[in-house]
Amino acid sequence: GNSVTQMEGPVTLSEEAFLTINCTYTATGYPSLFWYVQYPGEGLQLLLKATKADDKGSNKGFEATYRKETTSFHLEKGSVQVSDSAVYFCALTFFSGGYNKLIFGAGTRLAVHP
Amino acid sequence: NAGVTQTPKFQVLKTGQSMTLQCAQDMNHNSMYWYRQDPGMGLRLIYYSASEGTTDKGEVPNGYNVSRLNKREFSLRLESAAPSQTSVYFCASSGYTTGTGARETQYFGPGTRLLVL
Repeated sequence: GNSVTQMEGPVTLSEEAFLTINCTYTATGYPSLFWYVQYPGEGLQLLLKATKADDKGSNKGFEATYRKETTSFHLEKGSVQVSDSAVYFCALTFFSGGYNKLIFGAGTRLAVHP
Repeated sequence: NAGVTQTPKFQVLKTGQSMTLQCAQDMNHNSMYWYRQDPGMGLRLIYYSASEGTTDKGEVPNGYNVSRLNKREFSLRLESAAPSQTSVYFCASSGYTTGTGARETQYFGPGTRLLVL
């Protein structure tokens, strides 16, 4: 079936460190891929997305490339800030039962220290 | 442009009580969704509404009812709350329930934290 697997957290980094959060997926067809971010006490915000193979999504210094050959959509940022501390969710959509289902990974908590 | 708004932010209920969670969006989206978020289980879809006038069950609909009041509003009702319904509830909306790119992207509200004693 369709699923998303993320690296387990928490991920703890110092400010200005390089960030990678791994995400791999299993899907039939050609899903769209997303990264959502959830800051403490808030809802999910769309961070970036990619709708086809080799697309790169980017926002706020974060990037992820849709890799069909490795079924991956890893999230990267060159220099993290304390304000990036949050939970990050990788997700995909696929069409089933008459609508696009949105499937989330379990989430990866990131803590950035000064 | 407020996006997706939800009320209340936090609610405590006793077992057997009823309540309605409200959701509204101002993005002129056709489709709306209700999810619950539980630790270690990610987000699970309760109900969705592909368009005004239609509603359908998601993965975990038992114990819930929904109403698509108009294009903007989609409410979730717990008729007889149970401790297993303690969770954080998120409403979301998208242009459509099918399609790709911008049409399918779901935008989330800030959530309602519900505690059932």
